[in-house]
Amino acid sequence: NAGVTQTPKFQVLKTGQSMTLQCAQDMNHEYMSWYRQDPGMGLRLIHYSVGAGITDQGEVPNGYNVSRSTTEDFPLRLLSAAPSQTSVYFCASRSGLAGIQETQYFGPGTRLLVL
Amino acid sequence: AQSVTQLDSQVPVFEEAPVELRCNYSSSVSVYLFWYVQYPNQGLQLLLKYLSGSTLVKGINGFEAEFNKSQTSFHLRKPSVHISDTAEYFCAVTGDYGGSQGNLIFGKGTKLSVKP
Repeated sequence: NAGVTQTPKFQVLKTGQSMTLQCAQDMNHEYMSWYRQDPGMGLRLIHYSVGAGITDQGEVPNGYNVSRSTTEDFPLRLLSAAPSQTSVYFCASRSGLAGIQETQYFGPGTRLLVL
Repeated sequence: AQSVTQLDSQVPVFEEAPVELRCNYSSSVSVYLFWYVQYPNQGLQLLLKYLSGSTLVKGINGFEAEFNKSQTSFHLRKPSVHISDTAEYFCAVTGDYGGSQGNLIFGKGTKLSVKP
């Protein structure tokens, strides 16, 4: 199993550009989530999904869109990038069988710089 | 609402010394507590978790943590650290309340620096 994979590893954008961060998992996990990590702020939840076709907002959803058309994939879209979105983005997944007691598995992250 | 406070942003320690990384949480419901480790330029890896039962939880790499409900704490300890333990450590909480969906709430992290 590859676990949770994220592409790209690094990305530089100009203000106003759009892009999609890709996330995929091969563990048949129902729950997937996106976090952003900023220095001194820990990880903050952007969006999450409890299954295909179901998404919801986390703590910091503004400026980001998500969709979940398959169990495996959970892309994160930046519609119009802003310098405040410069961050490291992590995708995570968790089995839904036992719910909240299950461990979340994290991808390696995408480093995004918005100029 | 739940919250997590990691009391130290940075902890320097010499190799083979003991270390304690402190974590306090705030919640009005039953909680599940986690410690994750992040090595430089990597994702997060689970060290250990407390769900129920024994309040002393043992994890990977010789780490352990103790759940203290009265003090709302979940401090992480290791009796003898190695250079390879240099990393950032995150405490996280989730709870069994309506709408939580098991979303993790993270502390701001503690950077452990082990010096020779």
